[in-house]
Amino acid sequence: DAKTTQPPSMDCAEGRAANLPCNHSTISGNEYVYWYRQIHSQGPQYIIHGLKNNETNEMASLIITEDRKSSTLILPHATLRDTAVYYCIVRVAGGGSNYKLTFGKGTLLTVNP
Amino acid sequence: EAQVTQNPRYLITVTGKKLTVTCSQNMNHEYMSWYRQDPGLGLRQIYYSMNVEVTDKGDVPEGYKVSRKEKRNFPLILESPSPNQTSLYFCASSRTWYNANTGELFFGEGSRLTVL
Repeated sequence: DAKTTQPPSMDCAEGRAANLPCNHSTISGNEYVYWYRQIHSQGPQYIIHGLKNNETNEMASLIITEDRKSSTLILPHATLRDTAVYYCIVRVAGGGSNYKLTFGKGTLLTVNP
Repeated sequence: EAQVTQNPRYLITVTGKKLTVTCSQNMNHEYMSWYRQDPGLGLRQIYYSMNVEVTDKGDVPEGYKVSRKEKRNFPLILESPSPNQTSLYFCASSRTWYNANTGELFFGEGSRLTVL
């Protein structure tokens, strides 16, 4: 699976949009981009995923560049409860005989009042 | 309610005393996995299971065993715990392992284990 690179930390003001970047320059054509978040030692929570089209759900939007080498997770109106570590990971379609899902160190997003 | 349930949530034990952390999911998921999380090291996969009776090693399997006799349960066994296994453990499940478009993981709330 492709390796991802995320900034270690970001700040955002409450009520503003939080834009979390992720680089995955070695992503291959059959790899999906997944985003999870972890709020202070709780179990990670799935947010959204996509292959090449932009995606939106009730939690967030995912913008994937045309070359698929990077993506941005957008929380449109961040609240204090969105303070968490956000993980960007890639998953190969099919899985093959090994299905290891590797989480990097993620981005600590701090939403300030 | 769809969930992944781990027990115990907290445990303090001593070196060498066998213990089992249970994990159960009620979503009929095929795929289940165990992770450990340590400060500065992030989430690391211990073992995973693609279906009943099918398990494989993750990145850090040493000192652990697993079994998958039923679809809903995936216990993590520490035969002879050591202090370096002190960690926060997470169980996770996914509907499938082979379809990346429906492979979101659902995590349990975690089990904090301390080995003295």
